[in-house]
Amino acid sequence: EIVLTQSPGTLSLSPGERATLSCRASQSVSSNYLAWYQQKPGQAPRLLIYGASSRATGIPDRFSGSGSGADFTLTITRLEPEDFAVYYCQQYVNGPWTFGQGTKVEIK
Amino acid sequence: EVQLLESGGDLVQPGASLTLSCEASGFAFSTYDMHWVRQAPGKGLEWVSAIGVDVSRRYYTGSVEGRFTISRDNSKNTLYLQMNTLRADDTAVYFCAGRYCSGGYCYPLDYWGQGTLVTVSS
Repeated sequence: EIVLTQSPGTLSLSPGERATLSCRASQSVSSNYLAWYQQKPGQAPRLLIYGASSRATGIPDRFSGSGSGADFTLTITRLEPEDFAVYYCQQYVNGPWTFGQGTKVEIK
Repeated sequence: EVQLLESGGDLVQPGASLTLSCEASGFAFSTYDMHWVRQAPGKGLEWVSAIGVDVSRRYYTGSVEGRFTISRDNSKNTLYLQMNTLRADDTAVYFCAGRYCSGGYCYPLDYWGQGTLVTVSS
């Protein structure tokens, strides 16, 4: 089973600032089958990034993903008020399709 | 419009059984791998189970293996999760979600329902 570790646990930033979120895997994620999701309270997760760096349909270009192998990053270039949420990475190579524990991006 | 509507969540006692349903509309359900993901109160996301387009492909996380059974009825566009011998640590919101595979590439979970709450408590 691939274990995903996200850091930091919480990121306190102001609107307009840049957010950098990390996701580290316990082993290489083949074919970069790494996704990022955003979840707001009381809502289902929303797919942001797939294939480590491809934006899902309708996702603004301030969201970008990068990385390969076992180290991945989600960057939000200029935080908008609606971006304050919890972000999860997930590997979807094969079962079990594990998630990281999440990074909360909160308003400073 | 794509919709996934979960139902069947309830308050049950430890050791009880429960079946969750997820009715899909707005997309070609039979061509999607379908998953269950859960979230305990105040906690993160935990992948639970998956069933492929080929129903012989079924996967479970270790903590539910042997207790939960995933199935699908493509004629009803519905996904199921039969849960037996429920425990307190199964308490969570259960989401169904779908992913598409094409040309040798499988996408992550793109379609999600809003979830149904299962509470296991005496």
